[in-house]
Amino acid sequence: DQQVKQNSPSLSVQEGRISILNCDYTNSMFDYFLWYKKYPAEGPTFLISISSIKDKNEDGRFTVFLNKSAKHLSLHIVPSQPGDSAVYFCAARVHTGNQFYFGTGTSLTVIP
Amino acid sequence: ETGVTQSPTHLIKTRGQQVTLRCSSQSGHNTVSWYQQALGQGPQFIFQYYREEENGRGNFPPRFSGLQFPNYSSELNVNALELDDSALYLCASSLETGGADTQYFGPGTRLTVL
Repeated sequence: DQQVKQNSPSLSVQEGRISILNCDYTNSMFDYFLWYKKYPAEGPTFLISISSIKDKNEDGRFTVFLNKSAKHLSLHIVPSQPGDSAVYFCAARVHTGNQFYFGTGTSLTVIP
Repeated sequence: ETGVTQSPTHLIKTRGQQVTLRCSSQSGHNTVSWYQQALGQGPQFIFQYYREEENGRGNFPPRFSGLQFPNYSSELNVNALELDDSALYLCASSLETGGADTQYFGPGTRLTVL
């Protein structure tokens, strides 16, 4: 039962352009969402988060948007850089829980 | 500040054997969570330890067990290994239970069960 879904296994973007990574979820009890970035042979690194009381959170080149009615969140990277090439996971948590549910990941390639 | 470390890096076992994986949490962190990441999947929560007690468990059978020590390092034990246990095992430490943005992952242990 995959409660967090990333339907695009891969994405290629030209350097300098916008990268948009999407994530859908099914559990309406999720109220905290995160994006992690993972390079090969390394553990996931926290990137950005958003609480369900917000619809947008921005940190430098990274912005996360949350659409609660559609149960959808997205990560925008502007401008994209070759160093952003990695696998990106979205994850979600129920407010009262300590368990994070991860999506299957999207492999982003930024072409110089 | 020392990051999260895991040992061993790689491990090969045969079906039915038992395995112990180890994790040293980041300095000052008292919470450790373990995840299983199968090929092509996202990490799946196994359980969390907070101050040496299990503090939440995902949908994994009892043959997956753990320990946390007074220095907050942790072990994951898997008994009666099955082929489907082949995966990358990640541990993550955090300062307190919850608080996702403070969760730091180790590089993982790659377990292969033959």
